Amino acid sequence: GAVVSQHPSWVICKSGTSVKIECRSLDFQATTMFWYRQFPKQSLMLMATSNEGSKATYEQGVEKDKFLINHASLTLSTLTVTSAHPEDSSFYICSGRRMMSYEQYFGPGTRLTVT
Amino acid sequence: GDSVTQMEGPVTLSEEAFLTINCTYTATGYPSLFWYVQYPGEGLQLLLKATKADDKGSNKGFEATYRKETTSFHLEKGSVQVSDSAVYFCALGRPQGGSEKLVFGKGMKLTVNP
Repeated sequence: GAVVSQHPSWVICKSGTSVKIECRSLDFQATTMFWYRQFPKQSLMLMATSNEGSKATYEQGVEKDKFLINHASLTLSTLTVTSAHPEDSSFYICSGRRMMSYEQYFGPGTRLTVT
Repeated sequence: GDSVTQMEGPVTLSEEAFLTINCTYTATGYPSLFWYVQYPGEGLQLLLKATKADDKGSNKGFEATYRKETTSFHLEKGSVQVSDSAVYFCALGRPQGGSEKLVFGKGMKLTVNP
């Protein structure tokens, strides 16, 4: 149990366009979801934390108007990269956490390439 | 702030070899420490954890001991298998508003050859 999926697994978009990444908890209710970003040969960096039905809490240095996070249900969170630029190209990973649990369950990641 | 430093790979071993992946951390207080594993095409999975000094986490033949005096949490396995080929991440965690905020190391890719 505790499976998290992400869609798409890989997306290419043109500079200036927006792209949405979905994160779904398939067999549990994720009261909290996390979004991470990973650069090549770098560690995962937490971008934001979202609780279902609430606004996301962004980490310092992350532009909330650029990376829009919506956690509208207990099984779905979305990350929208607005007006994407080549420097936004990265690997984006989400995780979900059950209520009353500290453990996070991770999705397989989405590779975004902005041309 | 909190940080995690771990061995960088990639590392290639033969089956049944001994594995050590070093991990050290910088943090105040008493964080929790974790090892995550990511198999090809899958999400990160919790491999083991330790929540206080001298705790030993173990799972699937892997072990790591929380050493506060050396601020380390090295991962070991006595005899690796081909199925252990994956990327291994060391992480530090702190409670944040009822959940665990994680700080990760860079990850180390392990390949085990038959």
